Amino acid sequence: GESVGLHLPTLSVQEGDNSIINCAYSNSASDYFIWYKQESGKGPQFIIDIRSNMDKRQGQRVTVLLNKTVKHLSLQIAATQPGDSAVYFCAENILGGKLIFGQGTELSVKP
Amino acid sequence: DAGITQSPRHKVTETGTPVTLRCHQTENHRYMYWYRQDPGHGLRLIHYSYGVKDTDKGEVSDGYSVSRSKTEDFLLTLESATSSQTSVYFCAISEREGIYNEQFFGPGTRLTVL
Repeated sequence: GESVGLHLPTLSVQEGDNSIINCAYSNSASDYFIWYKQESGKGPQFIIDIRSNMDKRQGQRVTVLLNKTVKHLSLQIAATQPGDSAVYFCAENILGGKLIFGQGTELSVKP
Repeated sequence: DAGITQSPRHKVTETGTPVTLRCHQTENHRYMYWYRQDPGHGLRLIHYSYGVKDTDKGEVSDGYSVSRSKTEDFLLTLESATSSQTSVYFCAISEREGIYNEQFFGPGTRLTVL
């Protein structure tokens, strides 16, 4: 099926643990960010977004943290489940332009 | 996949042949995008549309053309396919441009050019 890449950074966690996936973005002028999840053979799925005037946003079992000082974004997944296994990548929007996507991190959840 | 379908889902073709990929949406979103996804690269924008008959180039548009004659359909054409166009192609839609332009993706088309 459709897959992202062969040499992505990998994060391996035990089922039930919390996961933290990081993203360094490129442009200090970026004003909007999105996290996507991509399972093998599928298209990217929107998880959560955050504006640059926020430093934290929570969803169901997920939290996104934004540190503009160091241009860093993180996605925290609570109580990670086998169904969370996927590639996760962030996207940034610079001043209302097009989204720019990172390459992603592969999350592997061990039962 | 947010009411987005892509066809075909898989295609194998030969170098030099024209190929058309179709994206169909039922969400009535104004903006539509074509991306390609390759190992070692993030999603890269090929072309996008901001309305019927309104399209513009993305960062990797060479060798590709698009058309949008109806709100719901966005076609991507490879005029003369080359092996470097072997990739997975994703269509995306968005209600708006600029901030809060969250994009929703289709299931993808795997294209192999021999």
